[in-house]
Amino acid sequence: QVQLQESGPGLVKPSETLSLTCAVSGGSISSYYWSWIRQPAGKGLEWIGRIYTSGSTVYNPSLKSRVTISVDTSKNQFSLKLSSVTAADTAVYYCARLCSGGDCYPASFDYWGQGTLVTVSS
Amino acid sequence: DIVMTQSPDSLAVSLGERATINCKSSQSVLYSSNNKNYLAWYQQKPGQPPKLLVYWASTRESGVPDRFSGSGSGTDFTLTISSLQAEDVTVYYCQQYYTTPYTFGQGTKLEIK
Repeated sequence: QVQLQESGPGLVKPSETLSLTCAVSGGSISSYYWSWIRQPAGKGLEWIGRIYTSGSTVYNPSLKSRVTISVDTSKNQFSLKLSSVTAADTAVYYCARLCSGGDCYPASFDYWGQGTLVTVSS
Repeated sequence: DIVMTQSPDSLAVSLGERATINCKSSQSVLYSSNNKNYLAWYQQKPGQPPKLLVYWASTRESGVPDRFSGSGSGTDFTLTISSLQAEDVTVYYCQQYYTTPYTFGQGTKLEIK
Protein backbone atom coordinates (compact mmCIF):
# COMPACT_ATOMS: atom_id res chain seq x y z
CA GLN A 1 0.00 0.00 0.00
CA VAL A 2 1.51 3.28 -1.12
CA GLN A 3 1.61 5.97 1.54
CA LEU A 4 2.48 9.64 1.21
CA GLN A 5 3.48 11.91 4.08
CA GLU A 6 3.92 15.66 3.87
CA SER A 7 6.34 17.45 6.18
CA GLY A 8 7.56 20.98 6.67
CA PRO A 9 7.04 24.14 8.71
CA GLY A 10 3.47 24.88 9.65
CA LEU A 11 4.11 28.62 9.92
CA VAL A 12 5.81 30.77 7.29
CA LYS A 13 6.30 34.54 7.38
CA PRO A 14 4.99 36.73 4.57
CA SER A 15 7.45 37.20 1.69
CA GLU A 16 9.40 34.09 2.70
CA THR A 17 9.53 30.70 0.97
CA LEU A 18 7.27 27.80 1.86
CA SER A 19 9.08 24.45 1.69
CA LEU A 20 7.42 21.05 1.96
CA THR A 21 8.53 17.49 1.34
CA CYS A 22 6.43 14.46 0.47
CA ALA A 23 7.90 11.11 1.49
CA VAL A 24 6.63 8.11 -0.45
CA SER A 25 6.59 4.70 1.21
CA GLY A 26 5.24 1.27 0.31
CA GLY A 27 6.29 1.67 -3.31
CA SER A 28 8.80 3.28 -5.61
CA ILE A 29 8.58 6.90 -6.62
CA SER A 30 9.99 5.97 -10.01
CA SER A 31 7.95 5.91 -13.21
CA TYR A 32 5.04 7.90 -11.81
CA TYR A 33 3.84 11.50 -11.95
CA TRP A 34 3.44 13.27 -8.62
CA SER A 35 1.58 16.44 -7.73
CA TRP A 36 1.02 19.09 -5.10
CA ILE A 37 -2.52 20.32 -4.48
CA ARG A 38 -3.72 22.85 -1.92
CA GLN A 39 -6.99 23.69 -0.20
CA PRO A 40 -7.68 26.86 1.78
CA ALA A 41 -9.87 26.30 4.82
CA GLY A 42 -13.47 25.72 3.80
CA LYS A 43 -12.69 26.11 0.10
CA GLY A 44 -12.01 24.00 -2.96
CA LEU A 45 -8.96 22.29 -4.39
CA GLU A 46 -6.24 23.99 -6.43
CA TRP A 47 -3.66 22.02 -8.39
CA ILE A 48 -0.17 23.49 -7.97
CA GLY A 49 1.95 21.37 -10.29
CA ARG A 50 3.33 17.96 -11.15
CA ILE A 51 6.69 16.28 -11.58
CA TYR A 52 7.79 13.07 -13.25
CA THR A 53 10.60 11.07 -11.76
CA SER A 54 12.86 12.26 -14.59
CA GLY A 55 12.50 15.73 -13.10
CA SER A 56 10.19 17.05 -15.80
CA THR A 57 7.71 19.56 -14.35
CA VAL A 58 4.47 21.33 -15.24
CA TYR A 59 3.13 24.12 -13.06
CA ASN A 60 -0.18 25.90 -12.74
CA PRO A 61 0.28 29.17 -14.64
CA SER A 62 -1.39 31.00 -11.74
CA LEU A 63 1.56 30.07 -9.50
CA LYS A 64 4.27 29.32 -12.03
CA SER A 65 6.49 32.30 -11.24
CA ARG A 66 6.73 31.28 -7.58
CA VAL A 67 6.72 27.45 -7.66
CA THR A 68 9.49 24.90 -7.84
CA ILE A 69 8.86 21.16 -7.56
CA SER A 70 11.80 18.78 -7.38
CA VAL A 71 12.30 15.04 -6.90
CA ASP A 72 14.91 12.98 -5.06
CA THR A 73 14.55 9.40 -6.22
CA SER A 74 17.32 8.20 -3.89
CA LYS A 75 15.19 9.29 -0.94
CA ASN A 76 11.87 8.36 -2.54
CA GLN A 77 10.53 11.86 -2.01
CA PHE A 78 9.61 15.03 -3.82
CA SER A 79 9.40 18.61 -2.68
CA LEU A 80 7.58 21.90 -3.12
CA LYS A 81 8.94 25.41 -2.80
CA LEU A 82 6.62 28.41 -3.04
CA SER A 83 8.31 31.78 -2.84
CA SER A 84 7.11 35.22 -1.79
CA VAL A 85 4.16 33.84 0.15
CA THR A 86 1.24 35.93 1.36
CA ALA A 87 -1.76 35.20 3.55
CA ALA A 88 -3.53 33.96 0.41
CA ASP A 89 -1.16 30.98 0.39
CA THR A 90 -2.47 29.77 3.74
CA ALA A 91 -3.92 26.33 3.06
CA VAL A 92 -3.71 22.61 3.63
CA TYR A 93 -1.12 21.30 1.18
CA TYR A 94 -1.49 17.78 -0.17
CA CYS A 95 0.86 15.63 -2.17
CA ALA A 96 -0.66 13.02 -4.46
CA ARG A 97 0.19 10.38 -7.05
CA LEU A 98 -1.27 10.39 -10.53
CA CYS A 99 -2.60 7.02 -11.60
CA SER A 100 -5.97 5.67 -12.77
CA GLY A 101 -6.08 1.90 -12.56
CA GLY A 102 -3.19 0.77 -14.72
CA ASP A 103 -3.05 4.02 -16.68
CA CYS A 104 -0.73 6.44 -14.98
CA TYR A 105 -0.54 9.24 -17.51
CA PRO A 106 -2.63 11.16 -17.88
CA ALA A 107 -4.46 10.19 -14.76
CA SER A 108 -6.48 11.17 -11.74
CA PHE A 109 -5.03 11.21 -8.22
CA ASP A 110 -5.22 7.80 -6.63
CA TYR A 111 -3.05 8.21 -3.52
CA TRP A 112 -2.97 11.30 -1.32
CA GLY A 113 -1.06 12.36 1.75
CA GLN A 114 -3.02 13.39 4.83
CA GLY A 115 -2.18 17.02 4.16
CA THR A 116 -0.30 19.61 6.14
CA LEU A 117 -1.60 23.01 7.17
CA VAL A 118 0.66 25.90 6.30
CA THR A 119 -0.20 29.28 7.76
CA VAL A 120 1.37 32.44 6.42
CA SER A 121 1.59 34.99 9.19
CA SER A 122 4.10 37.26 10.84
CA ASP B 1 -8.09 26.73 -18.16
CA ILE B 2 -11.00 24.28 -18.24
CA VAL B 3 -13.63 25.46 -15.77
CA MET B 4 -15.50 22.72 -13.93
CA THR B 5 -18.93 23.68 -12.60
CA GLN B 6 -20.82 21.41 -10.26
CA SER B 7 -24.52 21.53 -9.50
CA PRO B 8 -26.07 21.84 -7.09
CA ASP B 9 -23.75 23.41 -4.53
CA SER B 10 -25.60 21.48 -1.84
CA LEU B 11 -28.08 18.65 -1.92
CA ALA B 12 -30.33 17.12 0.74
CA VAL B 13 -31.40 13.51 0.20
CA SER B 14 -33.15 11.03 2.44
CA LEU B 15 -31.27 7.93 3.55
CA GLY B 16 -31.86 5.12 1.09
CA GLU B 17 -32.77 7.50 -1.73
CA ARG B 18 -30.83 8.34 -4.87
CA ALA B 19 -28.42 11.28 -4.94
CA THR B 20 -27.29 12.84 -8.20
CA ILE B 21 -24.48 15.37 -8.58
CA ASN B 22 -23.73 17.06 -11.88
CA CYS B 23 -20.49 18.38 -13.30
CA LYS B 24 -20.07 20.43 -16.45
CA SER B 25 -16.76 21.28 -18.09
CA SER B 26 -16.20 24.45 -20.12
CA GLN B 27 -14.76 22.34 -22.94
CA SER B 28 -14.87 18.68 -23.83
CA VAL B 29 -12.65 16.33 -21.83
CA LEU B 30 -13.23 13.46 -24.26
CA TYR B 31 -10.05 12.41 -26.02
CA SER B 32 -11.21 11.22 -29.41
CA SER B 33 -8.24 8.94 -30.15
CA ASN B 34 -9.06 6.58 -27.27
CA ASN B 35 -12.68 7.57 -26.57
CA LYS B 36 -11.90 8.22 -22.92
CA ASN B 37 -13.29 11.02 -20.80
CA TYR B 38 -10.57 12.47 -18.58
CA LEU B 39 -12.89 13.08 -15.63
CA ALA B 40 -12.68 11.89 -12.03
CA TRP B 41 -14.88 12.11 -8.94
CA TYR B 42 -13.63 12.40 -5.37
CA GLN B 43 -15.23 12.21 -1.93
CA GLN B 44 -13.78 14.34 0.85
CA LYS B 45 -14.68 13.92 4.51
CA PRO B 46 -13.79 16.58 7.09
CA GLY B 47 -10.14 16.55 8.04
CA GLN B 48 -9.27 13.99 5.38
CA PRO B 49 -7.76 14.15 1.90
CA PRO B 50 -10.00 13.57 -1.09
CA LYS B 51 -10.64 9.92 -1.92
CA LEU B 52 -10.80 8.80 -5.55
CA LEU B 53 -14.18 7.26 -6.34
CA VAL B 54 -14.41 7.20 -10.14
CA TYR B 55 -11.98 7.79 -13.00
CA TRP B 56 -12.36 7.81 -16.78
CA ALA B 57 -15.81 9.24 -15.92
CA SER B 58 -17.34 5.83 -15.20
CA THR B 59 -14.70 3.41 -13.85
CA ARG B 60 -15.11 2.78 -10.15
CA GLU B 61 -11.89 2.77 -8.13
CA SER B 62 -11.08 -0.52 -6.43
CA GLY B 63 -12.89 -0.90 -3.11
CA VAL B 64 -15.51 1.77 -3.82
CA PRO B 65 -19.05 0.50 -3.11
CA ASP B 66 -21.11 -0.22 -6.21
CA ARG B 67 -23.80 2.23 -5.11
CA PHE B 68 -21.47 4.90 -6.54
CA SER B 69 -21.54 5.25 -10.31
CA GLY B 70 -20.31 7.81 -12.81
CA SER B 71 -21.71 8.63 -16.22
CA GLY B 72 -21.57 11.19 -18.98
CA SER B 73 -19.33 12.20 -21.83
CA GLY B 74 -17.84 15.26 -23.44
CA THR B 75 -18.80 18.14 -21.18
CA ASP B 76 -21.60 16.79 -18.99
CA PHE B 77 -21.08 14.27 -16.23
CA THR B 78 -22.99 12.80 -13.30
CA LEU B 79 -22.10 11.05 -10.06
CA THR B 80 -24.95 8.94 -8.73
CA ILE B 81 -25.28 7.35 -5.33
CA SER B 82 -28.05 4.80 -5.78
CA SER B 83 -29.04 4.45 -2.12
CA LEU B 84 -27.67 7.08 0.21
CA GLN B 85 -25.96 5.79 3.34
CA ALA B 86 -25.12 7.92 6.39
CA GLU B 87 -21.39 7.62 5.69
CA ASP B 88 -21.89 9.18 2.23
CA VAL B 89 -22.87 12.55 3.68
CA THR B 90 -19.93 14.78 2.85
CA VAL B 91 -18.45 16.83 -0.01
CA TYR B 92 -17.86 15.61 -3.56
CA TYR B 93 -15.60 17.06 -6.26
CA CYS B 94 -15.20 16.44 -9.96
CA GLN B 95 -11.84 16.99 -11.65
CA GLN B 96 -10.58 17.05 -15.21
CA TYR B 97 -7.19 15.67 -16.17
CA TYR B 98 -7.55 16.25 -19.90
CA THR B 99 -5.09 19.10 -19.82
CA THR B 100 -3.03 21.15 -17.41
CA PRO B 101 -3.73 23.00 -15.27
CA TYR B 102 -5.82 20.20 -13.83
CA THR B 103 -8.96 21.75 -12.38
CA PHE B 104 -11.62 20.79 -9.87
CA GLY B 105 -15.25 21.68 -9.48
CA GLN B 106 -16.20 23.89 -6.56
CA GLY B 107 -17.64 20.94 -4.63
CA THR B 108 -21.11 19.68 -3.77
CA LYS B 109 -22.11 19.21 -0.16
CA LEU B 110 -24.40 16.24 0.34
CA GLU B 111 -26.66 16.31 3.39
CA ILE B 112 -29.41 14.19 4.88
CA LYS B 113 -32.97 15.36 4.38
